[in-house]
Amino acid sequence: AQSVTQLDSQVPVFEEAPVELRCNYSSSVSVYLFWYVQYPNQGLQLLLKYLSGSTLVKGINGFEAEFNKSQTSFHLRKPSVHISDTAEYFCAVRANTGNQFYFGTGTSLTVIP
Amino acid sequence: DGGITQSPKYLFRKEGQNVTLSCEQNLNHDAMYWYRQDPGQGLRLIYYSQIVNDFQKGDIAEGYSVSREKKESFPLTVTSAQKNPTAFYLCASGDWDRWRAEAFFGQGTRLTVV
Repeated sequence: AQSVTQLDSQVPVFEEAPVELRCNYSSSVSVYLFWYVQYPNQGLQLLLKYLSGSTLVKGINGFEAEFNKSQTSFHLRKPSVHISDTAEYFCAVRANTGNQFYFGTGTSLTVIP
Repeated sequence: DGGITQSPKYLFRKEGQNVTLSCEQNLNHDAMYWYRQDPGQGLRLIYYSQIVNDFQKGDIAEGYSVSREKKESFPLTVTSAQKNPTAFYLCASGDWDRWRAEAFFGQGTRLTVV
C-alpha cells in the first residue's frame, strides 16, 4: 500500500510571496502523484500530476511541483501567491498498477493581504 | 459538459434514519469512489467500485452501503448504524489510461444529523 504525509497543516503567507507546500510519500512500487485544490464547500480540482518523464511538472494557476524519487517527495511551489490561492491543498498518490488513491491530510494555505 | 453530479448539496437527517446520497457521472469512467472528509483528517475511502455490479470496502465502510447497477451511478446509503455521520461526502470517478490517471470529483454533499 501507499501513504502520503503532508508535513504542514497550515501555511500562512503574505500576498506576492513565494510558497512551498510539502508532500512526502511511501510506496514499494512506482506511483503517480497528484496535487488537488479544494475551495470551501466544493469538490477537489486537479492542480497538476506526475505520471512519468520530466520531474518538474507545471499545473494550473501558476503552480509547479518537482518529483524527487530519492527523497520520495513531491513538493508544490508557487513563486508569487495571490489572495485567490487561499484554499486547502491535498497531495495524493496512486500505484501505477492500482486503482486506489491515498490522500494526505491536507494543507490549509492562507494568503495574507 | 462532462462531469460528476452529486445531489443534494446539503442534507439533514434525523438520528436513526437511513439516507441516500446520489452520484452520477457522464465521463464513461469504469471506477467510482466515495470519500468522507472531516476537518484535519483528509479524505478517507468508504467504498469503491471498479466495474458495474462489483464494489469493495474501503477503510471506513462500517455503517455505509453502496450499489453499482449502472456504470453512470454509484449511490451511497448512510445507515442508522453509522454512529457519527455528520461530514462532507465526496464522490469521484476515474479511468486508467497512461495519459490521465487522475480522479475527477463531484462538488460534494454535506450531511448533518439533527
